[in-house]
Amino acid sequence: DAGVTQSPTHLIKTRGQQVTLRCSPKSGHDTVSWYQQALGQGPQFIFQYYEEEERQRGNFPDRFSGHQFPNYSSELNVNALLLGDSALYLCASSPPRNTEAFFGQGTRLTVV
Amino acid sequence: GEDVEQSLFLSVREGDSSVINCTYTDSSSTYLYWYKQEPGAGLQLLTYIFSNMDMKQDQRLTVLLNKKDKHLSLRIADTQTGDSAIYFCAEITESARQLTFGSGTQLTVLP
Repeated sequence: DAGVTQSPTHLIKTRGQQVTLRCSPKSGHDTVSWYQQALGQGPQFIFQYYEEEERQRGNFPDRFSGHQFPNYSSELNVNALLLGDSALYLCASSPPRNTEAFFGQGTRLTVV
Repeated sequence: GEDVEQSLFLSVREGDSSVINCTYTDSSSTYLYWYKQEPGAGLQLLTYIFSNMDMKQDQRLTVLLNKKDKHLSLRIADTQTGDSAIYFCAEITESARQLTFGSGTQLTVLP
């Protein structure tokens, strides 16, 4: 089992650009959540996808959007990047009817 | 609102026990989790406890939950240098499906 995999591992973007991050959940998991972790802080919930729909959303602006595909993989899109969007973006997957969340290694986004 | 708090730093000697503490405010928490994060890495799920339990043991790890005081602790027995990392406490509630994390405790294990 490959676990939760995220790509890319590192990314540098210019302010105002758009970025897409990708996540493949653990085998057998159907729920994907995205978190943003700023330096020195705990992860903050962005949103969660289940059955290809956004099921819950944290306190993030509409510039943050996502998608879940029929194979349960997911994308996080961020438009009009700001310097403050620089962070580690973590994807977590959960099995059916279970709250355990297993995290990927994250994507380190730097906005310059 | 939901809030999870942890002390920022803890240093222990190799071979000693470490105790990392966490407090939370949401009384409807259903599960409480401990995650470990090593430098440049994602989060590793260490253990979790259901809110109707008061203790859970898993090899070197012991989780204690005091629901009345909303206090959670993680004890690591025989702490090793490989245990040096940031430890996050997190909660999930019946109403919200998201994890709410503390700011993390940096554990340093001294030889």
